[in-house]
Amino acid sequence: ETGVTQSPTHLIKTRGQQVTLRCSSQSGHNTVSWYQQALGQGPQFIFQYYREEENGRGNFPPRFSGLQFPNYSSELNVNALELDDSALYLCASTPGGGNTEAFFGQGTRLTVV
Amino acid sequence: GQSLEQPSEVTAVEGAIVQINCTYQTSGFYGLSWYQQHDGGAPTFLSYNALDGLEETGRFSSFLSRSDSYGYLLLQELQMKDSASYFCAVRNRDDKIIFGKGTRLHILP
Repeated sequence: ETGVTQSPTHLIKTRGQQVTLRCSSQSGHNTVSWYQQALGQGPQFIFQYYREEENGRGNFPPRFSGLQFPNYSSELNVNALELDDSALYLCASTPGGGNTEAFFGQGTRLTVV
Repeated sequence: GQSLEQPSEVTAVEGAIVQINCTYQTSGFYGLSWYQQHDGGAPTFLSYNALDGLEETGRFSSFLSRSDSYGYLLLQELQMKDSASYFCAVRNRDDKIIFGKGTRLHILP
């Protein structure tokens, strides 16, 4: 157990809808990163939050957005869902000041139909 | 651009040794990590190399050559439970962790 929890574990949405995924980081970790993992692929970096500010973004469109709260928990929001958004969404927390080890949650399996 | 290359699949026999290679090209480099992911599970951290050389942790070892932009994960005394996907990941100059596509390790009895 890493201490990182994500909710919900599974979700089914219709194309065009919006979704919010949640992540509680490990205690003491002020940095949260979100990844998208398609079946059979590696985790793709979406963005990272450090002390409530986005401080890095991967190659994802603006309809992928996020928030980090004062307790360092985080949300990933995806608008105008597309079929290709179906994937496992992983949240990883690190203590900051050098991300040598990321602690992952179990992920949210999103299916867009 | 950033890219990490590793074999898509490797097959080995229980009790044997297997090496999974990784070459990388990234915007700056702080270190190379390895993660293990079982089907349906989350990636879990195995090792991190910031400097050249070999790091050993039990049955697993990881090697880095910064001049060659190359590293490998060595798994010894393979067990069936080692069947999983293994990802190399680079910590780049923006302090982000970028993953490769993963190597699926199949272990035969």
